[in-house]
Amino acid sequence: GDSVTQMEGPVTLSEEAFLTINCTYTATGYPSLFWYVQYPGEGLQLLLKATKADDKGSNKGFEATYRKETTSFHLEKGSVQVSDSAVYFCAPIRSGGSNYKLTFGKGTLLTVNP
Amino acid sequence: DADVTQTPRNRITKTGKRIMLECSQTKGHDRMYWYRQDPGLGLQLIYYSFDVKDINKGEISDGYSVSRQAQAKFSLSLESAIPNQTALYFCATSDLDRSNYGYTFGSGTRLTVV
Repeated sequence: GDSVTQMEGPVTLSEEAFLTINCTYTATGYPSLFWYVQYPGEGLQLLLKATKADDKGSNKGFEATYRKETTSFHLEKGSVQVSDSAVYFCAPIRSGGSNYKLTFGKGTLLTVNP
Repeated sequence: DADVTQTPRNRITKTGKRIMLECSQTKGHDRMYWYRQDPGLGLQLIYYSFDVKDINKGEISDGYSVSRQAQAKFSLSLESAIPNQTALYFCATSDLDRSNYGYTFGSGTRLTVV
């Protein structure tokens, strides 16, 4: 079945540091890839997505590139802020057929200190 | 109003009690999901429904049941609550439109079984 492996947290950074959260996946067919973010006390929100190989998703200064050859979708941000403190989830979804569901990674807790 | 509304936001119940968590959405999406979130385990799919007449078990359906009363409403029941069902529960919706795979999540229900 489909699966996703995320870098385990927690990750603690100082403000303005560079962030990378690794994500690799196994998925049947040709998946689309998503990053979701969960701020404290809230539900998950879509952060960014990529639907085909070499696509780069971006939002709020975060970026992730769909690397089919390495089955990866690593999340990066050049300069994190305290407000980026949250849990981040990588989620692939297979593209074949209509019976699709997201598969979520276990989440990576990011804490950014001033 | 939120696109996906979960009630209650917090609930404390006793072991053996029956409890229902409710979810309603204004997105007009056909697909609805119930997830459970435990620290360090990410999100686990309990049940999902692709339309009003289609209900499917997820990874961890034992001890839970669901009802899809209408396109906009999907409730989760714990027939006889037990302490290890203490968790954060999320409802989510998604569109059948394949160009928009993203899920919309509610804010969650924090359930404590004592």
